[in-house]
Amino acid sequence: EVQLVQSGAEVKKPGESLKISCKGSGYSLGSFASYWIAWVRQMPGKGLEWMGIIYPIDSDTRYSPPFQGQVTISADKSISTAYLQWSSLKASDSAMYYCARRADSGWFLDYWGQGTLVTVSS
Amino acid sequence: QSVLTQPPSVSAAPGQKVTISCSGSSSNIGNNYVSWYQQLPGTAPKLLIYDNNKRPSGIPDRFSGSKSGTSATLGITGLQTGDEADFYCGTWDSSLSTVVFGGGTKLTVL
Repeated sequence: EVQLVQSGAEVKKPGESLKISCKGSGYSLGSFASYWIAWVRQMPGKGLEWMGIIYPIDSDTRYSPPFQGQVTISADKSISTAYLQWSSLKASDSAMYYCARRADSGWFLDYWGQGTLVTVSS
Repeated sequence: QSVLTQPPSVSAAPGQKVTISCSGSSSNIGNNYVSWYQQLPGTAPKLLIYDNNKRPSGIPDRFSGSKSGTSATLGITGLQTGDEADFYCGTWDSSLSTVVFGGGTKLTVL
């Protein structure tokens, strides 16, 4: 069974940096590196927002326009892990962040991580 | 403001049927497949429907999806209290070159 396990909740101050992770396992067909991994934001009480996606084999990365330049998505295929990072957090970055695997047959997300709650407060 | 439009809430009694609509445009729903996700309270979203009307393994046939033109619909029959959740539609948007989601619909089983 495919599993995406995300790093734990974080509490940070504005201006601090942060890198959260998403480790994949249990891929019976193909490998972690051969599936795109997406990051999705969910602000408190709000809906899902697509942030961007990465292909771990070659680190090809695509960002949704609102998130371009605001975050960095990366991956280390050798340890089956994708990352989402901020260089300078803002209070408005407080949200739940999910990683999810894009299915190989289309633009839908077939497996999701459990989520990482990021709280940014002074 | 989400690119895809869903009703904020729907409700129905146990055992009844409910439908949730998702409206878009030719750049998204009109020319791409639609997927649906269920988010139970306090949990991560889960894939419910993909390619407009296909169910992943393990999803009961009480859940169904359809698409017509620039709109899609999720149907749930035989409602159970355990179905109470937020539901999101999603699809690729060819103009924005990104996946877009609906704003979500909260299902209440009265």
